[in-house]
Amino acid sequence: AQSVTQLGSHVSVSEGALVLLRCNYSSSVPPYLFWYVQYPNQGLQLLLKYTTGATLVKGINGFEAEFKKSETSFHLTKPSAHMSDAAEYFCAVSVERGNEKLTFGTGTRLTIIP
Amino acid sequence: ETGVTQSPTHLIKTRGQQVTLRCSSQSGHNTVSWYQQALGQGPQFIFQYYREEENGRGNFPPRFSGLQFPNYSSELNVNALELDDSALYLCASSLAGSRGTQYFGPGTRLLVL
Repeated sequence: AQSVTQLGSHVSVSEGALVLLRCNYSSSVPPYLFWYVQYPNQGLQLLLKYTTGATLVKGINGFEAEFKKSETSFHLTKPSAHMSDAAEYFCAVSVERGNEKLTFGTGTRLTIIP
Repeated sequence: ETGVTQSPTHLIKTRGQQVTLRCSSQSGHNTVSWYQQALGQGPQFIFQYYREEENGRGNFPPRFSGLQFPNYSSELNVNALELDDSALYLCASSLAGSRGTQYFGPGTRLLVL
C-alpha cells in the first residue's frame, strides 16, 4: 500500500522568501506524484505532477518539485513567496494501475508574513 | 471547456437521513472519483467509477454508494447518516489511463446534526 507523509502541518515564510514544503512517499512500485493547492472553502487545484521523464517538474504560479527516488521525496518549492500563495497544500501519490486513486497526505498550511 | 461541477454546495441533514450528492465531470473525462475530506484532514478515497461500473473502493461502509451515468456524471449516496459523515465531499474527474491525474470540483459541504 502507498502512503504520503507531509512534514510540518504549518509553515510560515516571509513575503519574498523561499517556500519549501516537504513530502515523502512510500510505494512498492513506481509512483505518480502530485501537489494540489486548496484555498479556503474551495476544492483542490492541481499545481504540478510527476509521472515519468524529467524529475524536476514545473507547475503553475511559479512552483516546482523534484522527484528524488533515492530519498522517496517530492518536495515543493517556490523561489519567492507571494501573499496569494497562502493556502493549504496537499501532496498525493497514485500507484495502482487501472484504478488510479489518489492517496493524500494530511496537508501543510502555508502562511505568508507581510 | 467546462470544469467539474458539484451540487449542492452546502447541505444540512440530521442523523439517520439519506443524502445524494451530484457531480458533472469535465468535458471528455470518463472516470469519476469521490473523496471525503474531514475538517483539517487530507481527502480520503471513497470510490471510483469508470464506464458506469465501480472501479475500486476505499475503506468506507456499504452505506456509501454511487452511480455513474452514460454522460459520465455521477452521484454519491449516503444512507443512515452519522455525525462523523460531516465533511467536504469532493468529486474528481479524469481520463482513464491519465496516470492518476484528476481534476476536482469545488465540493459539497455536508453537516450532519
